[in-house]
Amino acid sequence: NAGVMQNPRHLVRRRGQEARLRCSPMKGHSHVYWYRQLPEEGLKFMVYLQKENIIDESGMPKERFSAEFPKEGPSILRIQQVVRGDSAAYFCASSPQSGNQETQYFGPGTRLLVL
Amino acid sequence: GESVGLHLPTLSVQEGDNSIINCAYSNSASDYFIWYKQESGKGPQFIIDIRSNMDKRQGQRVTVLLNKTVKHLSLQIAATQPGDSAVYFCAENGGSARQLTFGSGTQLTVLP
Repeated sequence: NAGVMQNPRHLVRRRGQEARLRCSPMKGHSHVYWYRQLPEEGLKFMVYLQKENIIDESGMPKERFSAEFPKEGPSILRIQQVVRGDSAAYFCASSPQSGNQETQYFGPGTRLLVL
Repeated sequence: GESVGLHLPTLSVQEGDNSIINCAYSNSASDYFIWYKQESGKGPQFIIDIRSNMDKRQGQRVTVLLNKTVKHLSLQIAATQPGDSAVYFCAENGGSARQLTFGSGTQLTVLP
């Protein structure tokens, strides 16, 4: 039973380019969460999605960042016009339900480096 | 604002000894807590969780204790092994929130 899958594992972009990060939840999970981790810090919540719906995007910057979870295919975190401060590890997690006591299982992350 | 934090940023223990990692939280509405282990270059790995209606929960070699009076959480690892070396995070998913709030992490190093 495959866990949460993320790709690419590493992504290098120049300032001003776009970054697309993909996440496939665990089989049977329909809830996806994105987090960002700066070096030697804890993870910070960005956005929570269900299929075709953004439920909570309170942690996501208002500009340049967007997320989607289409009916078919992986969830996508998109960062437009990247800046050096976007360099971080981005983790996706999934859960089978949306209750506030549901365990979230994490993927291996995408490490974004902006040159 | 309310947050989750850890007392010690680093912890070194001898192989075979027991480890205790502590966590303080301030959100009194929190009712669910999780401990994650993160190895270098990897994503957080679920270790154990506990709900607020419990004060202790045991897993394989790990025990989580919850003291709601002082808003304190701890992770105990028995007979610590080299493979336990990692950063450990506590996280809370309290009240009606669906997002996890993570502490800053404790680096556990197991000495031979």
